[in-house]
Amino acid sequence: AQSVTQLDSHVSVSEGTPVLLRCNYSSSYSPSLFWYVQHPNKGLQLLLKYTSAATLVKGINGFEAEFKKSETSFHLTKPSAHMSDAAEYFCVVSEPFGNEKLTFGTGTRLTIIP
Amino acid sequence: DADVTQTPRNRITKTGKRIMLECSQTKGHDRMYWYRQDPGLGLRLIYYSFDVKDINKGEISDGYSVSRQAQAKFSLSLESAIPNQTALYFCATSDPSGVWGGYTFGSGTRLTVV
Repeated sequence: AQSVTQLDSHVSVSEGTPVLLRCNYSSSYSPSLFWYVQHPNKGLQLLLKYTSAATLVKGINGFEAEFKKSETSFHLTKPSAHMSDAAEYFCVVSEPFGNEKLTFGTGTRLTIIP
Repeated sequence: DADVTQTPRNRITKTGKRIMLECSQTKGHDRMYWYRQDPGLGLRLIYYSFDVKDINKGEISDGYSVSRQAQAKFSLSLESAIPNQTALYFCATSDPSGVWGGYTFGSGTRLTVV
């Protein structure tokens, strides 16, 4: 069985400072891992994906995440927060072998302080 | 036009009523999914279909049913709506061979059961 734990339900940072959203996962196999973003009253947008290639994954809008197998973590970072980054972020795991079902974390709400 | 279209966008219905949420896609994907989103719980899988003849229950299928009318259409029904089915519902499609994980989400249907 697979599961995802997002360690913070709410993160606040000042504009221009770094962002760190933490995610730990559990999977019986080598998983695929995703980060999705949901802006208020919007659908879900894929930020980035890890699929056992490079452990450091670069996504859209300056975000990146590092897969650390030894720590079972896939934390999302951005060097400098922008006001438009305010949204809810979901860490997601999917197991291989044709099972493409996604398991979502409970989400982290990111607030940007002007 | 959106790749995955959900109708209606918003719906208020009374307890005990039957309601259908519709999803259509132009991605040409075989795999389709219904998720519900509740605050603090992330997205949870209700039903999924890997092709027109394949329907599978997700983790929270009780009280719901689905119909895969064609490759492009996947409907979710609540036979007798109850207030705890008030949530934001998302339809998604996937293509396992896709470069970016292949998941595409609709914009969501906000359902309120009173």
